Amino acid sequence: AQRVTQPEKLLSVFKGAPVELKCNYSYSGSPELFWYVQYSRQRLQLLLRHISRESIKGFTADLNKGETSFHLKKPFAQEEDSAMYYCALVGAGGTSYGKLTFGQGTILTVHP
Amino acid sequence: DADVTQTPRNRITKTGKRIMLECSQTKGHDRMYWYRQDPGLGLRLIYYSFDVKDINKGEISDGYSVSRQAQAKFSLSLESAIPNQTALYFCATSDPLLTGGELFFGEGSRLTVL
Repeated sequence: AQRVTQPEKLLSVFKGAPVELKCNYSYSGSPELFWYVQYSRQRLQLLLRHISRESIKGFTADLNKGETSFHLKKPFAQEEDSAMYYCALVGAGGTSYGKLTFGQGTILTVHP
Repeated sequence: DADVTQTPRNRITKTGKRIMLECSQTKGHDRMYWYRQDPGLGLRLIYYSFDVKDINKGEISDGYSVSRQAQAKFSLSLESAIPNQTALYFCATSDPLLTGGELFFGEGSRLTVL
């Protein structure tokens, strides 16, 4: 069975500090991993996916298959980064697409 | 702008009542989903549909039913609501050929069962 674990329910940092949101997964095959973000009063939206290998809003995430992790990082947090962040996994390809398994979510608060 | 729309956005009801949450989309996606969000539990898949004739149970389908009336419409029903179904419900769509595994979410429907 596939599982996603986000060990931190709440994470607080000060503006300008580095931030890392942890995500660990359990999956027997080759997963596709995502980070979704939900800002206050906005709908859940994709932040980034591991296959894109891109930086979005200064965030990056590297898939570490050895440690089965997909941690989200940003070197200098901004107040507008305050939001709920979800890590999600799907089995690659075909009929698995869309059946995302989400982690429990981490609420990030960036203080001024 | 192509969108995913949920109605109602907020609903308060009593135990035992039948409730329907509706979702419509103008994205032209074949695949639609209903998720439930609870604090500390994240999002959990209730039901999903890959086309009009296809309905599948997710991980927490007990107490729920769905109807895919058209490609653009996917409704979630609670036949006899109970308090532990109080949650925020999200509809989502996807099109793997266009956007891979990405889901596009509605704004959510907050349901309170007293």
